[in-house]
Amino acid sequence: SAVISQKPSRDICQRGTSLTIQCQVDSQVTMMFWYRQQPGQSLTLIATANQGSEATYESGFVIDKFPISRPNLTFSTLTVSNMSPEDSSIYLCSVATGTDTQYFGPGTRLTVL
Amino acid sequence: QQQVKQSPQSLIVQKGGISIINCAYENTAFDYFPWYQQFPGKGPALLIAIRPDVSEKKEGRFTISFNKSAKQFSLHIMDSQPGDSATYFCAAGDGGSQGNLIFGKGTKLSVKP
Repeated sequence: SAVISQKPSRDICQRGTSLTIQCQVDSQVTMMFWYRQQPGQSLTLIATANQGSEATYESGFVIDKFPISRPNLTFSTLTVSNMSPEDSSIYLCSVATGTDTQYFGPGTRLTVL
Repeated sequence: QQQVKQSPQSLIVQKGGISIINCAYENTAFDYFPWYQQFPGKGPALLIAIRPDVSEKKEGRFTISFNKSAKQFSLHIMDSQPGDSATYFCAAGDGGSQGNLIFGKGTKLSVKP
């Protein structure tokens, strides 16, 4: 398995601002993903973070709102831009190590006022 | 066709009892079926996973039963303990989609002492 850390663990932000969430893995991984989990709900894939190229976004998510970077095989960032209260969620990073198995980070709990 | 339907939404079991959570899928391209356990304030943790070439997989008190013809799979927790109280998510993956997982809506399990 992989050890995944996320920063920040939680934040409270004002409407209209942006927050960048970091995901760090303790080993090189092939795939990195970003999910959103709204309170009491399931996990929804936002995008696949591709190393050295643009992220692949799922339907309903766009790069202008959720820009993603992945400069190397152990690190990725997700920015939530121009936030509104509807963006209040837990944002989760996950990694896959070459098989189907995905491991999740502890999540970032975002509250937008 | 990409949905994974999970039931029940919530489950209350007495200590020592058997907890059973069911999932159904439609996409026959799915070939990987993991279960995740999530405690409040934590990221989902991989519990156990199965592939369609076997009908059952057991790890300790946790067993996955898989019925390929019915496109259903289930998680059985034997001798349920209060520490098992958590939300459980089933998921399905298609290796051809670069590791993307489709998650069920989750089951909140409460094990009463």
